[in-house]
Amino acid sequence: GAGVSQSPSNKVTEKGKDVELRCDPISGHTALYWYRQSLGQGLEFLIYFQGNSAPDKSGLPSDRFSAERTGGSVSTLTIQRTQQEDSAVYLCASSSPGYEQYFGPGTRLTVT
Amino acid sequence: RKEVEQDPGPFNVPEGATVAFNCTYSNSASQSFFWYRQDCRKEPKLLMSVYSSGNEDGRFTAQLNRASQYISLLIRDSKLSDSATYLCVVMNRDDKIIFGKGTRLHILP
Repeated sequence: GAGVSQSPSNKVTEKGKDVELRCDPISGHTALYWYRQSLGQGLEFLIYFQGNSAPDKSGLPSDRFSAERTGGSVSTLTIQRTQQEDSAVYLCASSSPGYEQYFGPGTRLTVT
Repeated sequence: RKEVEQDPGPFNVPEGATVAFNCTYSNSASQSFFWYRQDCRKEPKLLMSVYSSGNEDGRFTAQLNRASQYISLLIRDSKLSDSATYLCVVMNRDDKIIFGKGTRLHILP
C-alpha cells in the first residue's frame, strides 16, 4: 500500500522567503509527526498532531514555524522568512496511536 | 538526564561478529519501545518493536529491562549491509515519541 509521501522532495529558496512543505500520511493513521534533521545530526521533534489538533507544539523552533492539518489527513509545515539555519531535511511520520511510526522520504530544504 | 540516551559510537565491527548496544530512557511510565535504522541520507525505517519478553527477528534480538530502564539490540553474524545508524525510540502514554540520537555502526570487511 501507499506509504507516507512528502512534497517537494527538494526545495531551494532564498533567505527571507516563505516555504510550505506537505505531508500525506498513510491512510487511516490519525497521528502525524514533523521532525527535522540536519546533516549528521539526530532527529529534532517539531510538532505532533492527533487528528487535526496539535497537543504538542513544543519543538517548533520559533514563531516563524507553523503547521496545520486538515481533514485528519494532509499536513502542511510552513516556514516564514526562512533563514540559513532552517536548512535541513524535514521528515514527516504517521502512525496509529500507540503503534510504530512510518516515515516519508523527507523534504530537503536549502536556504541560500 | 536526557529522555533517551544512546552511545553515539561509531562501533567498528568486523563482518561476522556479534555487536550489541544499549539505550537508556528516563521515563519509567514509557510504554512502547522500538529500534529504527537509518541509512545515510535516508529516512528512518522500523527495524523491530521491543516487547517485554524480548523478541528475535532473524539475526536481530531486542530486549527490554524495565527495572533498569534500558533496551538493547543484539546483531549476530553481522553483514556489511548492517552498517547504519540505529535509533532507539520510546513512546510515552500520551503518544509522545522520543528518538535517541542514534548509534553509528560500521561493519568492516
